[in-house]
Parts: sequence; structure tokens; C-alpha cells
Amino acid sequence: GPKVLQIPSHQIIDMGQMVTLNCDPVSNHLYFYWYKQILGQQMEFLVNFYNGKVMEKSKLFKDQFSVERPDGSYFTLKIQPTALEDSAVYFCASLGRSGNTLYFGEGSRLIVV
Amino acid sequence: GQQVQQSPASLVLQEGENAELQCNFSTSLNSMQWFYQRPGGSLVSLFYNPSGTKHSGRLTSTTVIKERRSSLHISSSQTTDSGTYLCALERGNNRIFFGDGTQLVVKP
Repeated sequence: GPKVLQIPSHQIIDMGQMVTLNCDPVSNHLYFYWYKQILGQQMEFLVNFYNGKVMEKSKLFKDQFSVERPDGSYFTLKIQPTALEDSAVYFCASLGRSGNTLYFGEGSRLIVV
Repeated sequence: GQQVQQSPASLVLQEGENAELQCNFSTSLNSMQWFYQRPGGSLVSLFYNPSGTKHSGRLTSTTVIKERRSSLHISSSQTTDSGTYLCALERGNNRIFFGDGTQLVVKP
């Protein structure tokens, strides 16, 4: 079936540094999402993105977070600077159109030390 | 989240038993989707089911919009069914909410 690819799968980073998580969504999909999941906890919505713009973001989407998809390339989540509480698995998802199946990547495990 | 409530929070079965997982929602929906999250963390889409009943092998999903609920039935459970089951609700504006999940353990 359709695949969402995430790079990197794992990253360990020093607190205060910048990290970029990359997502290659399903071809021709229009809506993109980032979710955050701390081990053993709920999948939490961060942000959704459509037509080059953030549509909605949650309270978890701090000022240090940003998303973009320049020229149809990777959909990225950037955290600058990182904090210890940013340690989690970040899942990217894409949706063709409203009311369709949401496809997830395998997640990027971020550890901030 | 609060808009989507799953029950039970956890469930332990003997292999061969059936399971019924529930998802209740407090808002209108555009779609309902069930996912299986492997112990390693990756997600598998089980059903896209905004209304009615769908079957896939030993799994059945039923969504009743008027009653604001969706269920996932697993028949003849196997040890490989162990993991977390998540329901996800899409509202208008394409925002998608997840329930807290049901952690299923199937013992041999």
C-alpha cells in the first residue's frame, strides 16, 4: 500500500541543538500531519499542514517548532532549540483528502540529552 | 483526547477468546479509523470506517454515527494480536484526534 517515509528513524541530540525530522508523504496527498507520542502515552496531535500553510496547531506545538514543505519536497518538522521534554517518537501522516484513509510513517525516535 | 474515549484501557485474553474494543466520541465526525500500533511503535491501518460495518479476516469494525460510537471486534484472538489499538476521529478542518488506546495482551 501507500508508504510514508520518515528520516531519521532515530536521533540522539544535545539539549539546545536544532533537529529536523523529515517526512516523505504519499505521492499526491494534500494534507500532512505531525503527531508526538511519548513512550506508553497517547498519540498527540501537533500540527496539520495544507497548501503550504499550517492549518491548525495544538498547544504542544511550541514556538520552537516549525514545519514546512519547500517545493513539494520533504515535509519537515524543525525544533530549535530542543528541550529534554521534546524526547518522544514523532509520527508523520498524510491524507489524500478529507474523509479518506490516513497513512502513517514508522516514526522518528528523538532523544534529547 | 477528551473528544475520543476508548475502552477498555487494557485487556488480557487467552488465545482463542474474542475481544470487543469500543471508541466513543463526543463530536460529529467526517471519518473514523482504527489502527494497530505494534509494540515497536509503528502503526498499521486496520479500518477506515466512517459508518456501518466492515470485515477483514478475524476483525470487524462497526461505526454507528447516531450513537457516536465505533467498535472493533477481534475473534479467535492470537498472541500476535497483542499490542495497542487506537481509534482516530476526523472532524471538520481535517483535524484528527486519537483515543488513548486499548492495550491488548493475548496469552498463549
